[in-house]
Amino acid sequence: TQLLEQSPQFLSIQEGENLTVYCNSSSVFSSLQWYRQEPGEGPVLLVTVVTGGEVKKLKRLTFQFGDARKDSSLHITAAQTGDTGLYLCALNQGGKLIFGQGTELSVKP
Amino acid sequence: ETGVTQTPRHLVMGMTNKKSLKCEQHLGHNAMYWYKQSAKKPLELMFVYSLEERVENNSVPSRFSPECPNSSHLFLHLHTLQPEDSALYLCASSQESLFVAHSNEKLFFGSGTQLSVL
Repeated sequence: TQLLEQSPQFLSIQEGENLTVYCNSSSVFSSLQWYRQEPGEGPVLLVTVVTGGEVKKLKRLTFQFGDARKDSSLHITAAQTGDTGLYLCALNQGGKLIFGQGTELSVKP
Repeated sequence: ETGVTQTPRHLVMGMTNKKSLKCEQHLGHNAMYWYKQSAKKPLELMFVYSLEERVENNSVPSRFSPECPNSSHLFLHLHTLQPEDSALYLCASSQESLFVAHSNEKLFFGSGTQLSVL
């Protein structure tokens, strides 16, 4: 079973700061999805990255897929309190969507 | 609104009770899923249904019994649960099953049922 490791597990920052969270695997994967889960809700898809070296931007969020297709990162610029939540990466392994443990982000005003 | 509705939002039950979780999707999707989310653990896939047929049972104990009467509704019947079964149970749907579709198929999740077993 391919294991997805996310780091850090917890991150607490002040509003306006920048941050990066990571998703790593020991194996190559064809594509990766990032989800955000707000407290009391289910995960919501943010983006899918499919090409090694790909960079995708979603407003203040920048997603990068590593050249070797074994890692991905999510960078948030000027974090806002509304960015608070659990950030999950996931990949399709044999027809099952497998999730990492997530990074729990808290943005304080 | 994700188009996937779960009820109830919260459930407290004793170990001898029988209860059911309900999920309904309004997206016209063909695949539905049950996931379990426990504290400090990754989401665990429990069951997958594609076109109302179960295509995956991820080694889930028999005290969890899924039912998919049609492509829009999914149930999870619970009986004689254990305290360690306390968790957030999430339902999700996708246009097609991840087994047959392009690997980039995305999941739409409901808000979950927070289950506490006493």
